[in-house]
Formats: sequence, structure tokens, C-alpha cells
Amino acid sequence: GESVGLHLPTLSVQEGDNSIINCAYSNSASDYFIWYKQESGKGPQFIIDIRSNMDKRQGQRVTVLLNKTVKHLSLQIAATQPGDSAVYFCAENMSGAGSYQLTFGKGTKLSVIP
Amino acid sequence: GAGVSQSPSNKVTEKGKDVELRCDPISGHTALYWYRQRLGQGLEFLIYFQGNSAPDKSGLPSDRFSAERTGESVSTLTIQRTQQEDSAVYLCASSLDAHGNQPQHFGDGTRLSIL
Repeated sequence: GESVGLHLPTLSVQEGDNSIINCAYSNSASDYFIWYKQESGKGPQFIIDIRSNMDKRQGQRVTVLLNKTVKHLSLQIAATQPGDSAVYFCAENMSGAGSYQLTFGKGTKLSVIP
Repeated sequence: GAGVSQSPSNKVTEKGKDVELRCDPISGHTALYWYRQRLGQGLEFLIYFQGNSAPDKSGLPSDRFSAERTGESVSTLTIQRTQQEDSAVYLCASSLDAHGNQPQHFGDGTRLSIL
């Protein structure tokens, strides 16, 4: 199998600072995007989603930005807390084409420094 | 419970044995998915069920892998004649439907270790 996954991109952030996690998606036809958080020993947890007719969506302490021109997605976490430490995955889907499949990115590991 | 439930949470078995993994989706969710996640990697799609439609088995890595689902309830993933390369976390997810613009909700997975 691939070894690239063992070297996940890592983002280290001081507690209280804002975090920005980036994702470059692959398919220009994708029209639905999700961010998941995965803590050690747990399954991926849904954080927030966005459809391609929007370029920004806010949740509680999180904001997702979508730039379809450059196929880029970002997750912003405000006032990062130690409990935010996890691996974050973006996922894309072509719902308009009737597809149910999610394609997941490789993940980014967020480490919060207390 | 309100979430996706998987059992067992951990399974250790010898090479060559068969294993059966179980998934209880969220009540009312018609779509169910199985994924495999190797250590430190992303999710690899295995199989998908939607209601009474024929499942999409396109992600199953070999004919040693099979899955069943009864109606819109429990699903089992079976791996026959296990190999060491099958060691991974097997994750199950469900969603309200399969129209693609619904988030998939995951269980905590079964950690499978083949000795």
C-alpha cells in the first residue's frame, strides 16, 4: 500500500488561535463537499457541508470556504481548543450526477499546543 | 443508540480464518456504506446498499470479501480466508438516502488484526 498516508500533513496551532485546513479537490463536476473530523480510535465525525451554489457556510466555531475556480476547499476553526486535535478529511461528491460516492482526501492532522 | 453501531470493536484472528463484521445503521437511513481504512490513510470505498436495489460492489478488493444487508437494517461484511493485508479498520456509514447530497454518518469501526 501507499506510504504517503503515514506522513499526513500536520498543522500545529496554539490554543486560542484560529486554524485553517486546506483541501484541493480533484473533480470539477463535484457539487457537494463535506468536512469530517476523526479522533484517534474513532470513526469520522461530520462537521459541516457545503453545496456548490455557495462559497461560504458557517457553523459553530467553523467556517467552510469553497473556491470552485481553483477547486479549493478550506475549513476554518475559530479559537482552536485542545479537543480540536484530530485528523480532518475533506470529501467530495457529484450529487447532481446522481452519485452517492464520496471521494475522501488524504487528511490533515491538527495538533493544538496548549 | 442514535448513531451507527459496529461490532465487534476489535477483532484479532489468525491468517486463513473467516471473519464477520456487523453494522447497525441509524434508524430510517436507507443507504449504507462500508469502507476500509489502513493505518494513517484515508477511506477506501468497499460496497454500498440502497434499499432493495442491487448493491454496488465495485470497491470490494477480492472475491474473499462479501456483504449482505437485510432490507434497510443490519449489514454484515464477511472476509473469507483472511490475509495479513486485510488488517485495517473497517468503517460503516449510513445516510438518509443515496442522492449524494446527504452526509454519511460513521460508526467507530472494527479494528481487524490478522496474525
